Amino acid sequence: IQMTQFPSTLSASVGDRVVITCRASQSIDVWLAWYQQKPGKAPKLLIYDASKLETWVPSRFSGTGSGRQFTLTISSLQPDDVGTYYCQQYHDFSETFGQGTKVQI
Amino acid sequence: QVRLLESGGGVAQPGGSLRLSCTASGFIFTNFGIHWVRQAPGRGLEWVAFIHGTTSYYTDSVRGRFTISRDNSKNSVYLQINRLTMDDTAIYYCVKVRNSTPRGPFDHWGQGALVTASS
Repeated sequence: IQMTQFPSTLSASVGDRVVITCRASQSIDVWLAWYQQKPGKAPKLLIYDASKLETWVPSRFSGTGSGRQFTLTISSLQPDDVGTYYCQQYHDFSETFGQGTKVQI
Repeated sequence: QVRLLESGGGVAQPGGSLRLSCTASGFIFTNFGIHWVRQAPGRGLEWVAFIHGTTSYYTDSVRGRFTISRDNSKNSVYLQINRLTMDDTAIYYCVKVRNSTPRGPFDHWGQGALVTASS
């Protein structure tokens, strides 16, 4: 399963609404996760099963979608949200990642 | 708390071998799938392999060269890397699946082990 993520980079202002899209080459139901990675650090799980937030994740983050198209939304971008975001499917055993979206202020 | 600690990274010549270890703590090790994910310098994330019980699976580019194994008595997972290529140069992360299933989102990551192929 191929995962296509876009945009590859985005620059927005503090307080802006930011949307990242991930598209699967075939249906993956809701078996999609989003990760945040900061420079020099391991990724951290943000959202799983397409829309469920990990306990540490601020409520300005949300995930939607099912089937082939998914979105990660940051409702009001904050300086701490700078980093690279990846989607990942876990519908089958090759748990492929999207190419990543670098978010800048 | 959950911890995953990788070791065994380093430099090896193309065609050579390395063995990565991942030692886990803070959870019932036998209940969870453990995966390896790698990240080449300046690149994105690539899933490499997983093991859950006696079931293992590999991405196409490493199948036949990499072997994943686990020792439940030591709460450890290993990744044997043979016939190393330049494309294998990456940080290798040991990761734990969130639920007691083979596949799934990765809720805990190790700090990573750097593998470098260089002559």
